[in-house]
Amino acid sequence: GAGVSQSPSNKVTEKGKDVELRCDPISGHTALYWYRQSLGQGLEFLIYFQGNSAPDKSGLPSDRFSAERTGGSVSTLTIQRTQQEDSAVYLCASSLYGTALGYTFGSGTRLTVV
Amino acid sequence: GQQLNQSPQSMFIQEGEDVSMNCTSSSIFNTWLWYKQDPGEGPVLLIALYKAGELTSNGRLTAQFGITRKDSFLNISASIPSDVGIYFCAGQGAQKLVFGQGTRLTINP
Repeated sequence: GAGVSQSPSNKVTEKGKDVELRCDPISGHTALYWYRQSLGQGLEFLIYFQGNSAPDKSGLPSDRFSAERTGGSVSTLTIQRTQQEDSAVYLCASSLYGTALGYTFGSGTRLTVV
Repeated sequence: GQQLNQSPQSMFIQEGEDVSMNCTSSSIFNTWLWYKQDPGEGPVLLIALYKAGELTSNGRLTAQFGITRKDSFLNISASIPSDVGIYFCAGQGAQKLVFGQGTRLTINP
């Protein structure tokens, strides 16, 4: 597609439930990133996929968080047993070959855990 | 880990005023970038800086890459209402960007 598409745009879930957030990157972009933006905070790196290489998971805050990227395209970020501190905007970005110039962000998924 | 300190955290100005914000780091970055985020949207790239000391302009925006490669500033001249938003600095680390905490700009007409 023309841009990075994220769904849903908003998600309200009950504490303890699992959620899946989807990112559809720009066609042909080999690199895909997930960031988390908490209220009033900057962007916190979560995970990075580059082609067929093993993902960089160094930013995942706990083992409740996981992500996969199927077929080098769509990515899903899964949060298990959600907690209130997981409430944030989850942003996905894609780029061509991982260069900073090609970093295009989606509009994000606003997750609220009640 | 790498951290970027961005200041000020928020600014309240009158339309037409100039704006200045800066970013410092404890680590050296080879590329600095400035992004703007509108409400409900993802950040959009404004300016990219590649060389220490480089001064780059994009319309009313001017940004400089510090000589030490550990700092950068962004200036906005003659602010207009559509400049409202959150501005982020970012440093290009190993394969990913490291972001500052953001500067929230509010403009009074």
